[in-house]
Amino acid sequence: GENVEQHPSTLSVQEGDSAVIKCTYSDSASNYFPWYKQELGKRPQLIIDIRSNVGEKKDQRIAVTLNKTAKHFSLHITETQPEDSAVYFCAANGNEKLTFGTGTRLTIIP
Amino acid sequence: DVKVTQSSRYLVKRTGEKVFLECVQDMDHENMFWYRQDPGLGLRLIYFSYDVKMKEKGDIPEGYSVSREKKERFSLILESASTNQTSMYLCASSLARARTEAFFGQGTRLTVV
Repeated sequence: GENVEQHPSTLSVQEGDSAVIKCTYSDSASNYFPWYKQELGKRPQLIIDIRSNVGEKKDQRIAVTLNKTAKHFSLHITETQPEDSAVYFCAANGNEKLTFGTGTRLTIIP
Repeated sequence: DVKVTQSSRYLVKRTGEKVFLECVQDMDHENMFWYRQDPGLGLRLIYFSYDVKMKEKGDIPEGYSVSREKKERFSLILESASTNQTSMYLCASSLARARTEAFFGQGTRLTVV
């Protein structure tokens, strides 16, 4: 089955700096890669996703890149703000199931 | 707005009890999922369903079963609760099979004592 690895498990950045979270996947048939944000005590919510027919997607301060050859994809957050503090999960849809990474706890330091 | 609602926010059950976790979605989604969330382990898929009365095992189905008698409702059943099933349980639904946004419920924090 699909295996998704996510790094780092924790990340602290100064407010205004950029944050990058990386994931790798194992199933070459995966073609959908979403990212979810989970604030403390709340449910995970989709923040951005990318499909295998594109290499990059942006939405304001958030971008995701995909390298199908290397089987890795990354989340980039620029100009970080305190409200970006949360746990972020990547996922891939190998074998028609969404398999999640283990999560990254991002802390923005004011 | 899609709403996925789980019947309980917190539950405390005794070892050996039969436990039912209920989930209802209001967007006519065919696909529904049960995940378990534990620190350092992320979200792990227990069971999923792509249609009424249909169910498929996820990655960690042992000790669990599910029921989907109606399209909007997906139930997770712990036949005989054990302490290692203490966890946060999240239900989700989506329009297309693992290819579109999954909408999550608010979660049920289950403690088995």
